Amino acid sequence: RKEVEQDPGPFNVPEGATVAFNCTYSNSASQSFFWYRQDCRKEPKLLMSVYSSGNEDGRFTAQLNRASQYISLLIRDSKLSDSATYLCVVRRQGGSEKLVFGKGTKLTVNP
Amino acid sequence: NAGVTQTPKFQVLKTGQSMTLQCAQDMNHNSMYWYRQDPGMGLRLIYYSASEGTTDKGEVPNGYNVSRLNKREFSLRLESAAPSQTSVYFCASTFWGGGRSGYEQYFGPGTRLTVT
Repeated sequence: RKEVEQDPGPFNVPEGATVAFNCTYSNSASQSFFWYRQDCRKEPKLLMSVYSSGNEDGRFTAQLNRASQYISLLIRDSKLSDSATYLCVVRRQGGSEKLVFGKGTKLTVNP
Repeated sequence: NAGVTQTPKFQVLKTGQSMTLQCAQDMNHNSMYWYRQDPGMGLRLIYYSASEGTTDKGEVPNGYNVSRLNKREFSLRLESAAPSQTSVYFCASTFWGGGRSGYEQYFGPGTRLTVT
């Protein structure tokens, strides 16, 4: 089993739609969680960290369920500019300075 | 600040040739990383350097060597390139400070390498 697994996608949604991405991680000792965004032929960039209590940044909401080892990202009122690949990322416990990246889920928002 | 810079942006090599990918960061980060990204495979860690003077293998180190030249620079060398090393290579850096902004990895723009 891969350490970080994501919905394979691709997701094609109309502008204004709400879309949710799911991610599961296998290492229960994982400590920190993130969503990165990667535009086509560009480098990944941090979208948001994911906290145990859940957190929101504008139209984006991230949730963490440690018991189920599950992370989600919800995008409300999708914009054309949200089209990208979304990467689920996990940092292991124990002072590890490495992040483990999921393969990503591609989102296309259509006019 | 330029952030993380990588050179070259594109490179074509013949099988057996060698080359070094250069990476530099100006954010005073202590940790630096090299990843490769292939279609359907996601980002895979090749090597990383937790601090100046240290390097460690990642998930796919075979065929590569690295040098942490100083705090700013971390290079990746392919001694004898193979077609399987055709990929996009990303360098990244992090300051492991914890807190809400800790652990963010900043990536360079990538090097697209083709080995024929």
